Amino acid sequence: GAGVSQTPSNKVTEKGKYVELRCDPISGHTALYWYRQSLGQGPEFLIYFQGTGAADDSGLPNDRFFAVRPEGSVSTLKIQRTERGDSAVYLCASSRGPNYGYTFGSGTRLTVV
Amino acid sequence: KQEVTQIPAALSVPEGENLVLNCSFTDSAIYNLQWFRQDPGKGLTSLLLIQSSQREQTSGRLNASLDKSSGRSTLYIAASQPGDSATYLCAYPRFHQGGSEKLVFGKGTKLTVNP
Repeated sequence: GAGVSQTPSNKVTEKGKYVELRCDPISGHTALYWYRQSLGQGPEFLIYFQGTGAADDSGLPNDRFFAVRPEGSVSTLKIQRTERGDSAVYLCASSRGPNYGYTFGSGTRLTVV
Repeated sequence: KQEVTQIPAALSVPEGENLVLNCSFTDSAIYNLQWFRQDPGKGLTSLLLIQSSQREQTSGRLNASLDKSSGRSTLYIAASQPGDSATYLCAYPRFHQGGSEKLVFGKGTKLTVNP
């Protein structure tokens, strides 16, 4: 696609529920990243995919968070047993290499009530 | 210590003013640095990408400079307009063994341009 697409744009869920956030990167971008941004803060790294594999998942806060990219394109960030502290904007970015910079999507605003 | 520092945290200026946003980083071996704009409740829009071999990049009314030796980048906005009101973030990629790379961000400068 022309840009990085994230769906849904907004998600409100109850504490304890399971949510899935989707990212559709720019076609041909092999690198895909998930970040989380809290109010007034810069984005914080969650996970980095190179192709289908998670090259670095060191930013995932705990085992309730999991992400997949089964065909090397679309990625899904999965959060189990959501907590109020998970409320944030989840950003996805893709890149065809560090020389070319990074393109971000519009984000998914997750609110856990 | 914060790896990327952006000063000021917030800035309010009258329309038409020229202004400078600052970004300081601790890693002198950065590969490149990218400036982004973020509107409230939105994602990040890339403004300028400066490679480590470059000293500045220009796009329209925006000019970004990079000085690796001093660990500083500046974003210059000429003739500011109310539509420039947003949060501006700088970031650079940090590489790790095993092929990992992560963007390291500052907290941003929130700019308000008053008509």
